[in-house]
Amino acid sequence: EPEVTQTPSHQVTQMGQEVILRCVPISNHLYFYWYRQILGQKVEFLVSFYNNEISEKSEIFDDQFSVERPDGSNFTLKIRSTKLEDSAMYFCASIDLGDTQYFGPGTRLTVL
Amino acid sequence: SQQGEEDPQALSIQEGENATMNCSYKTSINNLQWYRQNSGRGLVHLILIRSNEREKHSGRLRVTLDTSKKSSSLLITASRAADTASYFCATDAIDYKLSFGAGTTVTVRA
Repeated sequence: EPEVTQTPSHQVTQMGQEVILRCVPISNHLYFYWYRQILGQKVEFLVSFYNNEISEKSEIFDDQFSVERPDGSNFTLKIRSTKLEDSAMYFCASIDLGDTQYFGPGTRLTVL
Repeated sequence: SQQGEEDPQALSIQEGENATMNCSYKTSINNLQWYRQNSGRGLVHLILIRSNEREKHSGRLRVTLDTSKKSSSLLITASRAADTASYFCATDAIDYKLSFGAGTTVTVRA
């Protein structure tokens, strides 16, 4: 069964460093998303991406964040200058024609 | 905000018993989805119910939706130890972005 994959599973970085989180959505899906979940808190929407551009973004998704679909399969989230409060689990998701949103296993980002 | 909010926050049951959790939301939706998350792991999709549906089944799962009350319930029948997890409802409207609740933590005791 096709699934969303994410790499790395765990990323440790120093405050101020750039990180790129990678996702491979399910191949025939058209909408892609990033969400994050700070430990013990709700899953929060960050950004949606359709037709090679941002469709919607939350107020969390400020100028430090960017997304890209550099080729036909990868979907990346970049944080330019990480802060301590960026430590969270980051989930990528993609949606099928039946509206079901499938999530990847997540990347745990730890900012020191 | 159209966030889902689950109730109760935590639930502890004996193996074999049924577990019921509820979700309420604030604004009109296209769909409501339920997810399971094992501790520190990814979100596993359980079931999607559309705004024009009232009830849906999948294996031991039964989901109801009452759009007039803006609420949904998830019933897990004949629970197993492997059902121990956090369960989240998520609603979508424009652009299918999901709004999640805080979740119900279910512990199934052997």
